[in-house]
Formats: sequence, structure tokens, C-alpha cells
Amino acid sequence: KQEVTQIPAALSVPEGENLVLNCSFTDSAIYNLQWFRQDPGKGLTSLLLIQSSQREQTSGRLNASLDKSSGRSTLYIAASQPGDSATYLCVVTDSWGKLQFGAGTQVVVTP
Amino acid sequence: EAQVTQNPRYLITVTGKKLTVTCSQNMNHEYMSWYRQDPGLGLRQIYYSMNVEVTDKGDVPEGYKVSRKEKRNFPLILESPSPNQTSLYFCATRLTSTDTQYFGPGTRLTVL
Repeated sequence: KQEVTQIPAALSVPEGENLVLNCSFTDSAIYNLQWFRQDPGKGLTSLLLIQSSQREQTSGRLNASLDKSSGRSTLYIAASQPGDSATYLCVVTDSWGKLQFGAGTQVVVTP
Repeated sequence: EAQVTQNPRYLITVTGKKLTVTCSQNMNHEYMSWYRQDPGLGLRQIYYSMNVEVTDKGDVPEGYKVSRKEKRNFPLILESPSPNQTSLYFCATRLTSTDTQYFGPGTRLTVL
């Protein structure tokens, strides 16, 4: 069974620092990997989707890499801002089309 | 504007009183799912639907029912709610099984 792990579980950084969030998965047979943002008590907002054939995706200050063979993805957020404070979820679509969720990394960016 | 709507957003009810949480999408997506999110357990899939009249159980289907009579709607039914169904519920949709998933805003349910 696919397992998705996110490290660290929580992270606090001062404004302006770069954020590095890690995600690992046990089965490399995936269709894609998505990074979501969730604000407290709110829904999930899709940040980036990386197809299994891709190595990375970029959107503004966000960059996500995918190394399928080693079962890893990393989300980089450049020049963090207080508005980046949220929980970030890594979600893998497995070979059956089912989504497997990581537990999330809770990020706090202090002014 | 692409939207997934859920109603109600907040609900407090009592044990055994049947309730329905509605989910509607305007993107003509085939795939729709229901998840619950609990502290320490993350998001778990309750039911999913691959198209009209096609539904299947997810990881935690006990105590829930769904129906998919129209493509845009996918209601979640709790016939006899119990306190262990107190949770934050999300509806999600995607065009195919491997596309980006769009989540609704969530429904916070409390069963007393």
C-alpha cells in the first residue's frame, strides 16, 4: 500500500527565508503528485501538479521537484511571507487513480 | 468560474437524525469524492464516483451513503449520525482519475 510521509511536521521561519518541504512515498508507480495548501478550517487549494513523466513544476515563488525513482518530492517556496503560513499537503495519485495524502507540514512564517 | 460548493458549511445535529450534505460542481467533471479530515488522521476517502450512477466505497464508508443521479451533484447522506462522525468533510472533483483535484470549502459537522 502506498504511504506518503511529510517531514518536517511543523516548521517556523522568519520572513524572507526560503522554505523547503519534503515528501516521500513508498511506491514509485504513481500517475502524478500534487502539492496543496490548506488554511485552518478551510478547503485545499492546489499549488502544483507534477505528472510522473516530469521532473519539476514552477509557479511564481513555488517550485516542486519529483524524483520518482527515489520516491521523493520537494516543495521550495522562495522568499517566504507571513501569508505563506498554512499547512502544506503532498498528495500522490497511485496507479489505481486513488489519492494518498501525506499528513502535512504546518508552516509559520514570522514577520 | 470553476466551483465546488458544499452545503451546509456548518452543522450541529443530534445522534440519529438523518442529514444530507450536498456537493455540486460546475466543471463537468466525471470524478467526485467525499473525504473526512480528522486531527492526527489526515484526509480519508469515504466514497467516490467515477460517473453518473457509478459509485464505490473508499477507506471509511461505514455509516455513510452517496448517490450520483446527475453529473454535477454528489450528496453525502448520514442515515443515523453518531458522535464519531463529527469531522470536517470535503467534497472533491476532477476531470479524470489523474487530473488536478478541486476541493470544496468543507463542511464542519458536529454530532451530539
